[in-house]
Amino acid sequence: EVQLVESGGGLVQPGRSLRLSCAASGFTFDDYAMHWVRQAPGKGLEWVSGISWNSGSIGYADSVKGRFTISRDNAKNSLYLQMNSLRAEDTALYYCAKDTAATYYYGSGSAYYYYMDVWGKGTTVTVSS
Amino acid sequence: DIQMTQSPSSLSASVGDRVTITCRASQSISSYLNWYQQKPGKAPKLLIYAASSLQSGVPSRFSGSGSGTDFTLTISSLQPEDFATYYCQQSYSTLLTFGPGTKVDIK
Repeated sequence: EVQLVESGGGLVQPGRSLRLSCAASGFTFDDYAMHWVRQAPGKGLEWVSGISWNSGSIGYADSVKGRFTISRDNAKNSLYLQMNSLRAEDTALYYCAKDTAATYYYGSGSAYYYYMDVWGKGTTVTVSS
Repeated sequence: DIQMTQSPSSLSASVGDRVTITCRASQSISSYLNWYQQKPGKAPKLLIYAASSLQSGVPSRFSGSGSGTDFTLTISSLQPEDFATYYCQQSYSTLLTFGPGTKVDIK
């Protein structure tokens, strides 16, 4: 069974750090890009960060750039999110999600369409004094 | 960044109704548009990818259409288990963005 299990959430004071982990199983982890997506209480989904299969391509939302660092350890089938200088507005449920690409072939070539097809249950981060 | 908007923000419908949700991108995103369903206390679930491709295991009453900047998610005959919040998401840019969501509840 394909599964993602997040851990590492908790209550932390503003300005402090926290490291989230996501353990993957049931698929070949190093074949896929991965993402962190968060959801503040009562709010919508916000993409936080993504990392390619080999860590060669990494992206961050403007809201976390310079404070959060995404990484992965393919030998351990694990994804991480190092969160520094935490703010109250970082309070959210953090989901880990697997990225998949669908290839469409056209007369002139092909295109890759990316989507998040497997999600974990999330880990809660609360930033408060 | 590419901004995504959805309309309506919420709607009330009855079982059996045809429901249409619209998503608009701030610039053309070709067909790089996905739809997710989220029920309270649960993780999002992929419904549609590449604007119109149905994810495996998703009922055929769900369909997606559109390209460029305007997209639609349609539920042909609403079922009790479809009451949820629906999000669109663009994958045209490496900086991914979601729409604000559309909550579908019982009339």
